[in-house]
Amino acid sequence: TQLLEQSPQFLSIQEGENLTVYCNSSSVFSSLQWYRQEPGEGPVLLVTVVTGGEVKKLKRLTFQFGDARKDSSLHITAAQPGDTGLYLCFRSNDYKLSFGAGTTVTVRA
Amino acid sequence: NAGVMQNPRHLVRRRGQEARLRCSPMKGHSHVYWYRQLPEEGLKFMVYLQKENIIDESGMPKERFSAEFPKEGPSILRIQQVVRGDSAAYFCASSLSGGRGETQYFGPGTRLLVL
Repeated sequence: TQLLEQSPQFLSIQEGENLTVYCNSSSVFSSLQWYRQEPGEGPVLLVTVVTGGEVKKLKRLTFQFGDARKDSSLHITAAQPGDTGLYLCFRSNDYKLSFGAGTTVTVRA
Repeated sequence: NAGVMQNPRHLVRRRGQEARLRCSPMKGHSHVYWYRQLPEEGLKFMVYLQKENIIDESGMPKERFSAEFPKEGPSILRIQQVVRGDSAAYFCASSLSGGRGETQYFGPGTRLLVL
């Protein structure tokens, strides 16, 4: 059973456009983390969200945690080629460790 | 301030051989996690270890795979009698403690190719 659902699976956009990636679960998260993975490397942590309704900004990236703590989104404004990568949401609940399948983002110059 | 170290970065084995993957956690971290990533798939949890203890191995195949994290030295993921389906990237992560929401820091991975 997939504990986390990410959508879309693939996203290809032009430089300067905006994009949103979603992460959903049927159960409540105690916390959720977003990672980005570039080809040939390990995932790198972007942000941790803990509180329902929380919004965190990291330069052009905006992370939102749903009020019910069952979903989260990552929004990138004015995407750049350097944003290209695999975006993963991760949930750690009582030692049940789960990653979504990820969203592969390609930003074309 | 070294991060999580994994070696080798690339490993080629023939079917039936053994593969040993090593992971040195970040300094001060006593919790280690192993994940496998197949092409076009997400990261799949394999095993969670503390020093000298296996905490959760629910993601580990029942046969041929084993993991350890001794008191001294790196964590080892061992795959015996490798098959082509074992070809994947194997990532190790470490955390300071094992609590909820504890940040996991990932190594660069070992890419295993079974010929």
